[in-house]
Order: sequence, then structure tokens, then C-alpha cells
Amino acid sequence: AQSVTQPDIHITVSEGASLELRCNYSYGATPYLFWYVQSPGQGLQLLLKYFSGDTLVQGIKGFEAEFKRSQSSFNLRKPSVHWSDAAEYFCAVGPSMEYGNKLVFGAGTILRVKS
Amino acid sequence: DVKVTQSSRYLVKRTGEKVFLECVQDMDHENMFWYRQDPGLGLRLIYFSYDVKMKEKGDIPEGYSVSREKKERFSLILESASTNQTSMYLCASNDRYSYNEQFFGPGTRLTVL
Repeated sequence: AQSVTQPDIHITVSEGASLELRCNYSYGATPYLFWYVQSPGQGLQLLLKYFSGDTLVQGIKGFEAEFKRSQSSFNLRKPSVHWSDAAEYFCAVGPSMEYGNKLVFGAGTILRVKS
Repeated sequence: DVKVTQSSRYLVKRTGEKVFLECVQDMDHENMFWYRQDPGLGLRLIYFSYDVKMKEKGDIPEGYSVSREKKERFSLILESASTNQTSMYLCASNDRYSYNEQFFGPGTRLTVL
């Protein structure tokens, strides 16, 4: 079965520092991978997605993610964090021919930004 | 612009009440989803629908039902609310054939007393 692991529940970084949020997945085929962000009291907004092709994908708000098949990872990065990036971040996998049009989400990582 | 709306941002109900959560999308999407979000558990799929009057159980359907009478509207029903259904509920939709991302509504925070 599909599963997604986000090992870090909370991460705190200083404003201006670089950021990496980890995501590992378990999947039987080539995955479709997504990163979403949820600001306090809001719904989820898509940051970026990977379907195929170039393994380094660019997203909105200066975020990027790299798909590494050998490590079953899809880590999210940003070179310089802004205070407005404080939010919860979710990695998701799917949908697929095997499991239909469903996404499986990780438990989320809460990002705190200190000034 | 893509839009998914949910009828209430905050809702407070009593144990045993019947609760309706409404979701409307304006993108003519075939698929609609209801998730429950709890701290440390991420999003868990309750039910989804891939067409009018069609529904399928997700991972945690117990205690919930759904209704989809029109393509743009997907309702989540708690037949008899319980305190363990206090949670954030998120609705989403997407196009059936493109495996694109899901578009989310702002969520309804439900408290059952």
C-alpha cells in the first residue's frame, strides 16, 4: 500500500536560513508526488508536483523539490526562508492506476520561523 | 480562478445532532473528496465521489455518510455527531482524467460538545 512519511513533526529555522523538509514514500510504481502548504486557518495550497521528467521541480514561493527514486524521497527545499513561510507542509503521493484517484498524505511538518 | 467553498468555517454542535457539511466547486470537476485533518495524523480520506450519485468509502468512513445530487456539490453528513468527530474537515476536487492535483476548500472546524 502507498504510504508517506514526514519524519519531522516540527522544524524551527531562522529567517533567511535555508530549509529542507523531508518526505519518504512507499509506492509500487512511478509515483506522482505533491507538496502542499497550509497556512493557519486555511485550506491546502499546492506548492509543486512531480509526475515525470526532470527530477528537480520548481514551485511557487521560491520552493523546489527533488525526486530521488533510489532513496524513495521527495524533499522540499528553500534557500532563504521568510517569516511568511511559517505554516504546515504536507507531502502526498498518488493518484495512480492501481489506487485510483486518491492522494495519500504524510502527517505534516510544522515550520516555525524565528526572527 | 479555481474555487472550492465550504458552507461554514466554524461549527459547534451537540452530541447526537445530525450535522451537514456542504462543499461546492465551480470547476466542473468530476471528483470530489472529504478529508478529516487531525494533529499528527495528516489528512485522512473519509469518502470520495467520482460522479453524481456515486460514492466510495475512503479510509475512515465509519460514522459518516455523503450525498452528491449535483456535480458541483458534495455533502458530508454526520448522522449522530459524537465528540470524537471534533476535527477539521476539508473538501477537495479534481478532474478525473488528468491525475492533477486536488484543489482544496478552506476547511470547516467542527466542535462537538
